[in-house]
Parts: sequence; structure tokens; C-alpha cells
Amino acid sequence: QVQLVQSGAEVKEAGASVKVSCKVSGYTFTDYSIHWVRQAPGRGLEWMGWINPKSGDPKYAQKFQGRVTMTMDTSITTAYMDLTRLTSDDTAVYYCARDGRGKFSGYDYYDYWGQGTLVTISS
Amino acid sequence: DIVMTQSPDSLAVSLGERATVNCKSSQSLLYSSNNKNYLAWYQQKPGQPPKLLFYWASTRASGVPDRFSGSGSGTDFTLTISSLQAEDVAVYYCQQFYGSPLTFGGGTKVEIK
Repeated sequence: QVQLVQSGAEVKEAGASVKVSCKVSGYTFTDYSIHWVRQAPGRGLEWMGWINPKSGDPKYAQKFQGRVTMTMDTSITTAYMDLTRLTSDDTAVYYCARDGRGKFSGYDYYDYWGQGTLVTISS
Repeated sequence: DIVMTQSPDSLAVSLGERATVNCKSSQSLLYSSNNKNYLAWYQQKPGQPPKLLFYWASTRASGVPDRFSGSGSGTDFTLTISSLQAEDVAVYYCQQFYGSPLTFGGGTKVEIK
């Protein structure tokens, strides 16, 4: 069965960086793109960007340009999201999600999600 | 950016009664070349990731009970639960995948009256 398993919770100081991993299984890693979505406590969902596992090309939401880097390691079917210069506004649960179509357009809905990784920023 | 506005923010419905969640987009989500609406619905329960309910506005995802239905086109969309069950208590989100950045509605909390 399809699974996306994320790394554990993190506590970081303001100004630091965090790297969240997303290990996928149950399907061919390069057949579907991986997106990253975050959710601040008690808030809604915010799309951060996506990565094409076939090419390795990432695309980021304008809001996160310059602070986020999305990468992958196909040998271990794992995607990563690295966010730098953290502030208290970055306190959130970060999700990886699989696109539902496998078209690599970036314009996708999500059929499978990771369990989420809580990142807490202390000031 | 395409703004997604959901209403109401919350609603309380008696068990077995109908629940209706609305989602309005700031521009049409209907792609003329394939006549598809680029709109998805998700259900999120506390402490869990979102679960896909519908895509293309009305195509039910695998395993979703048929008491759930999705409808609408263009800029106005509706998620309906025909007979609310206790396990349907959750926050429901709409999402557009027509334009970048992909955006979500603010969520509608559905509770039991």
C-alpha cells in the first residue's frame, strides 16, 4: 500500500534551518510528484511547492522563494524539504503529499499524505 | 493568486440530517479545453492529515461513502453530506489546482448538533 512516512518533530531556534524528510513506499517513486503543504496551529493549509521526481526539478511558491529547497534521493525513495531563516511564523505541521495524477504539471490534487511533521520555532 | 472562500466557517447538524459546505473561487476553475473543474475537497480530522474526498469537483475518491457528494462549476462549488454520521465530524477544505500557487479554502468545521 502507498505510504508516505515523515521524519519526527523538530524544535528549532529562530534563525535556524530545518530539514524534513518524506520516505515513500508502495509505488514507483518517479511516477508521481511530491508536494509540500504546511498548516500553522489552528489554521488552514498552505502550499509551499513541489518536486518532479523524474527530473529533480523543484517549483516553489513565491512566498517561500529563497528560503525553501526541495530535493530528493531516488535511491532511497525519499523527498526532502529544507526551510531556512526560521521565524515563529514558521511554526506549523509540514506535510508531504503525492499528486493524484502523475502528470508532473504542478497543478494537482493529493491522494496520499504523510502523517505530518510538527516544527516548532522557539524565540 | 486565486482566493478560495468557504462558508460557513462552522456548522452544527443533527445526526442523519444534511450538511452543506460552500466554496467560492475568485476566478473560474473550469478549464475549457477539457471541461473539467480543477477543484478538490478534503476532510481533516484532529491530529490527522487531510483525506481526499473529491477531485474534478465531483469525482469521488476511492473509498469515500456515497453520502458525500460534490457539485458545482466555474466559481461556485458545494460539498454535501446527505445524512450526517458521527464519524463525519471534521474540518472540510476545498482546494483549487487551476493556477499557481495552489490555494485552499479556510476550512469549514462540521459538528453534531
